[in-house]
Formats: sequence, C-alpha cells, structure tokens
Amino acid sequence: QVQLQQSGPGLVKPSETLSLTCTVSGDSTSSSDYYWGWIRQPPGKGLEWIGSVFRSGGTYFNPSLQSRLTISIDTSKNQFSLKMRSMTAADTAVYYCTRERAGTTVDDWGQGTLVRVSS
Amino acid sequence: DIQMTQSPSSLSASVGDRVTITCRASQSISSRLNWYQQKSGKAPKVLIHAASSLQSGVPSRFSGSGSGTDFTLTINSLQPEDFATYYCQQSYNTPPTFGQGTKVEI
Repeated sequence: QVQLQQSGPGLVKPSETLSLTCTVSGDSTSSSDYYWGWIRQPPGKGLEWIGSVFRSGGTYFNPSLQSRLTISIDTSKNQFSLKMRSMTAADTAVYYCTRERAGTTVDDWGQGTLVRVSS
Repeated sequence: DIQMTQSPSSLSASVGDRVTITCRASQSISSRLNWYQQKSGKAPKVLIHAASSLQSGVPSRFSGSGSGTDFTLTINSLQPEDFATYYCQQSYNTPPTFGQGTKVEI
C-alpha cells in the first residue's frame, strides 16, 4: 500500500517561493509505471493539475503555471518536490502530491497541505 | 487545454435513488475519461477509469459510460456513504483537466 507523506509550510508570504516535499513509502520513485505529481484545490473549488516528474527527472507542467515551477525527484531518498515562485493570494489552495499511472489516472494522493499566501 | 464541463453542479437525492452525472469534453477524448469521488476534507479517490472500467474495490453500483465528448457516471441505489463531490478528468492530453465537480447532497 503506497503512502505519500507531504511536508512543507502552511503559510507563504506574497512574492515568495513555496517549497513542498513528498516522501513515498510502499513504492519506489524509480518505478517505470508511475509519474509523481502535484495537484491543487483552492478552498471550495475544483482540482487543478500542476505538473509531474518521471524517475528520469523529465517533467511535465501545466502551461498556465510553467514559468513559476520546478518539480524535482530524488530517487535515493524516495522523494519528490515542488517549488512554485512568486506566490500570490490566488495560489492559496490545498496542495496534494500524487502518484499518477502514466497517461491515465491519479491513483494515490498525499494528505494535502493547505497553503495560505498572506503577509 | 481541453475543457471539461459537468452537469449538474449539484443535486439532491435520497438513499436508494439512481443518480446520473454527465461530463462533456470540449473536444474528442476517445475513452480517456476518469471519475473521482471526493468526500469533505479528504483527497479524491478514483472510481472509474477509461470511461467505463471500475477501479478495483469500488462497489458495482457505480458505472460509467460514453466516448468521444459525452460521458456519464451513474450511481445505482445511492448509499449514505456516496454523498460527496464527483469529478471527471480527461487523460487524453497534457495538462490533464478536471470538471468543476458535482456535489451530491441529501
């Protein structure tokens, strides 16, 4: 049973960079079957796919966010990370790390981190 | 991006009812359509993949159909634990996009 454990701050100041890490247990980030990604959900709203990373380090981003994103993977630590720059109040959301079956479903989700952007 | 539009945005139903939720894509996505259930304060959970394939462990009262641009999620004999928000998601191309959600209320 795979588990995704998120870590990172719940409060970020405007213009600063959000950094979140997801630690995987029960599976390997070196798996060829999955991508490791991030999805967010503003309070009371729907789901927005942010991007994902493969074991090779290859990344896929939502074009609407691409210029502000870095997603990286550390297979030796079985972790992957999100950095989102120039945060604004519009980025306030619950951020989920995810395990995506390549080209199909988001099979597994972290516990979610509510990130508020406020001074 | 492919736009996904769900209807209705919310509905009221009773235990035992049959519920139907529709999802329309802005272009053909073949059968690359997935359905998720999200309960309050929890992460979403996959119910159906590839438009009509039931995810392992999901009760058989859930079913999906459709291809191209029009899809349907049906819940037969609604149970108390089914009151939640349901999302469709296309996995035809990047970025994967979600519908706005349908909240099923008592």
